[in-house]
Amino acid sequence: ETGVTQTPRHLVMGMTNKKSLKCEQHLGHNAMYWYKQSAKKPLELMFVYNFKEQTENNSVPSRFSPECPNSSHLFLHLHTLQPEDSALYLCASSQATGTSGGARDTQYFGPGTRLTVL
Amino acid sequence: TQLLEQSPQFLSIQEGENLTVYCNSSSVFSSLQWYRQEPGEGPVLLVTVVTGGEVKKLKRLTFQFGDARKDSSLHITAAQPGDTGLYLCAGVAGGTSYGKLTFGQGTILTVHP
Repeated sequence: ETGVTQTPRHLVMGMTNKKSLKCEQHLGHNAMYWYKQSAKKPLELMFVYNFKEQTENNSVPSRFSPECPNSSHLFLHLHTLQPEDSALYLCASSQATGTSGGARDTQYFGPGTRLTVL
Repeated sequence: TQLLEQSPQFLSIQEGENLTVYCNSSSVFSSLQWYRQEPGEGPVLLVTVVTGGEVKKLKRLTFQFGDARKDSSLHITAAQPGDTGLYLCAGVAGGTSYGKLTFGQGTILTVHP
């Protein structure tokens, strides 16, 4: 596999379920990201991990819990979600080599998980 | 909070026409990126512009970064049906180390044969 992969591609869950989204990058990158893409809002950054450390939590509700066991894998654990959490959840990775590289840092996105909360 | 206003939200044109998509902000960005996203896929980076006033060309696509690094435009010449998709602009905040991106709302482009 190459690039950034995400599983599952589609997920339907009830509000009381617990599920996890998985992201894997095969690019040797140091940073990984979770984004939420809703129909009526711009793509929103949720979490950033750099070298397995969380460096950004964009005021995300605690019903979303990220986990980054190593630089290649990123999970998003979901529990007691609301219907308004239905969206496309995108994972991305980048090299993120430091302040001088920030402006030109390229993020590579996975295909996303289409989540529907009933 | 930095915001990026992207316009128009929808564009439906005939093959061969030209179009321009705009991305505006009151904030200064260290760079501005343009992505294209197709259904069922994640966004794919088209270009990064870094210097104020910079112009980059990719075949029929021309990207411009404003002098003040607050706005950008994407111009497509002689659009083709294969250009259909969602176009997103994203700003990289100054001083960021890890590429924190602020996205515009996106422009859904449909090019009819």
